[in-house]
Amino acid sequence: SQQGEEDPQALSIQEGENATMNCSYKTSINNLQWYRQNSGRGLVHLILIRSNEREKHSGRLRVTLDTSKKSSSLLITASRAADTASYFCATDSNTGKLIFGQGTTLQVKP
Amino acid sequence: ETGVTQTPRHLVMGMTNKKSLKCEQHLGHNAMYWYKQSAKKPLELMFVYNFKEQTENNSVPSRFSPECPNSSHLFLHLHTLQPEDSALYLCASSPLPTASNEKLFFGSGTQLSVL
Repeated sequence: SQQGEEDPQALSIQEGENATMNCSYKTSINNLQWYRQNSGRGLVHLILIRSNEREKHSGRLRVTLDTSKKSSSLLITASRAADTASYFCATDSNTGKLIFGQGTTLQVKP
Repeated sequence: ETGVTQTPRHLVMGMTNKKSLKCEQHLGHNAMYWYKQSAKKPLELMFVYNFKEQTENNSVPSRFSPECPNSSHLFLHLHTLQPEDSALYLCASSPLPTASNEKLFFGSGTQLSVL
């Protein structure tokens, strides 16, 4: 069964605005990761947050984790047209395998 | 450039053909993976290799046959595929075998179309 589910499935914003994507999961995790994928390309790792962390920053990215709600959010501040891509959360199962969600497609209009 | 190279980038094959996908990583990693990405579906883990040994086969049909001759190379041999096998096939690697807190490094994928 699917572990991570992103919300919304699609998001369209203007350049300069903030973009927020959410991920919900079902079972307990050791960590949660966010990846980005440009159209027709492979995934690129963005950030990893461990289960004992609540918030993490990397440049314009801010990730939060709420283990009580089994959810995470990815915030991209001051978005740019180059941020247009699909964003995936991935959680590790008890066997250590990464399970990916369906992703959020973000379009940033110039 | 992620250090993981996949060839070919695009492949069109008939249902009776036999073809192979190749993945090579230059990162010194010990674990390699095959994922399948279909439209409107989450990434599906297919196979995992740790130190050249297959440790995961996620109920993949036998028409997909993986091969890992060494820690740097991974192949996916394809034969008698079905149209529903058309997808983007992604190879990934990680430093340590499927341990927690490991991030994956992905190749650009092979876009496969089965006619």
